[in-house]
Amino acid sequence: NAGVTQTPKFQVLKTGQSMTLQCAQDMNHNSMYWYRQDPGMGLRLIYYSASEGTTDKGEVPNGYNVSRLNKREFSLRLESAAPSQTSVYFCASYAGRGATPYGYTFGSGTRLTVV
Amino acid sequence: QQQVKQSPQSLIVQKGGISIINCAYENTAFDYFPWYQQFPGKGPALLIAIRPDVSEKKEGRFTISFNKSAKQFSLHIMDSQPGDSATYFCAASINSGGYQKVTFGIGTKLQVIP
Repeated sequence: NAGVTQTPKFQVLKTGQSMTLQCAQDMNHNSMYWYRQDPGMGLRLIYYSASEGTTDKGEVPNGYNVSRLNKREFSLRLESAAPSQTSVYFCASYAGRGATPYGYTFGSGTRLTVV
Repeated sequence: QQQVKQSPQSLIVQKGGISIINCAYENTAFDYFPWYQQFPGKGPALLIAIRPDVSEKKEGRFTISFNKSAKQFSLHIMDSQPGDSATYFCAASINSGGYQKVTFGIGTKLQVIP
């Protein structure tokens, strides 16, 4: 099925460990995004990639790095996980102006717990 | 600071009633106002959206009302059904070429009771 695929779906990390969250889309979308969702905070933009080869910081980039590996894949890396990074992480992609639907397509999320 | 303010955080409505969720924004550069619906364990999905040059948009039982001068917009769900129980996020975005930066509200958890 066409869409945005995130792996893993669940992960438990110990403080200080590192990990990479994977995201891939098969819709030939140009831009991709990483958000985190926390209760009472909504969804906050961590990083985004407007096009292949570019990445930019969002609202809450500290503690994260990203790689736009190719047009399909956009990964999020936690170098040294902290309990404050316990969250649900969503990857999204966007087709561009004039596309239908004119909005994000989200993956199903990665639930990360840092203990 | 919160660029898109959403209220209420939770809402309980009887089946057949009208659900109303309100949002306000500050940044006049926003040029697109989508609403996303999220079911438990799933990612948000685009529900309905409006541009600031339109005062109302209706799609089935879902209507967005937009007041540009007040910088406010709202979602109305008519004849609410138990299947509408979900979390709803209002959002505002800036569209620049091929990408769209979306700022979300904190979300409203809607429960429709039979």
